[in-house]
Amino acid sequence: DAKTTQPNSMESNEEEPVHLPCNHSTISGTDYIHWYRQLPSQGPEYVIHGLTSNVNNRMASLAIAEDRKSSTLILHRATLRDAAVYYCITGIGGTSYGKLTFGQGTILTVHP
Amino acid sequence: NAGVTQTPKFQVLKTGQSMTLQCAQDMNHNSMYWYRQDPGMGLRLIYYSASEGTTDKGEVPNGYNVSRLNKREFSLRLESAAPSQTSVYFCASSSLAGGPATPDTQYFGPGTRLTVL
Repeated sequence: DAKTTQPNSMESNEEEPVHLPCNHSTISGTDYIHWYRQLPSQGPEYVIHGLTSNVNNRMASLAIAEDRKSSTLILHRATLRDAAVYYCITGIGGTSYGKLTFGQGTILTVHP
Repeated sequence: NAGVTQTPKFQVLKTGQSMTLQCAQDMNHNSMYWYRQDPGMGLRLIYYSASEGTTDKGEVPNGYNVSRLNKREFSLRLESAAPSQTSVYFCASSSLAGGPATPDTQYFGPGTRLTVL
């Protein structure tokens, strides 16, 4: 599986946009980029995924660099409920057979 | 739909005791997974079951056994618990309907917090 690198922590103020970066320089051409988040004392939950094009859903946007070596998860207006650990994961599929490989993620703190 | 449910929510064991963690999903998913999460760490895969009747080892299978009882249920057994198995255990499921090479969303349960003394 491709390895990802994320900052250990980031901070934001409520109602401001948040850009969470992820580097995945060894990503292969068929690897998808997934983001999950884990709220305090809960299991992880799916946020978004993409392959090459930028993606939007009701939770967030995913901007993927043209060379696919990095991506950014964008929360357009952070709320206190968005305080969580955000995991960037690549390499799902193929021989990974659906298995997720979690790194340490980015701890997002949202200030009121 | 309840999604993925796990029992128990909390458990304290003594070294050498055994126990089984239960997981069930009501989403008709093909695949199920067991992860553990140690303090300050990401999740690590223990075992997974790509479909009913099959199980395979993940990254950290030692000290654990699993049973895919039917399509809904996937249990994790600790035969002789050790303090190193103190962790939070998460079960997850996914459809993998498009096959292993397609993107797939995993749905996680609330976790079981296990302490081994």
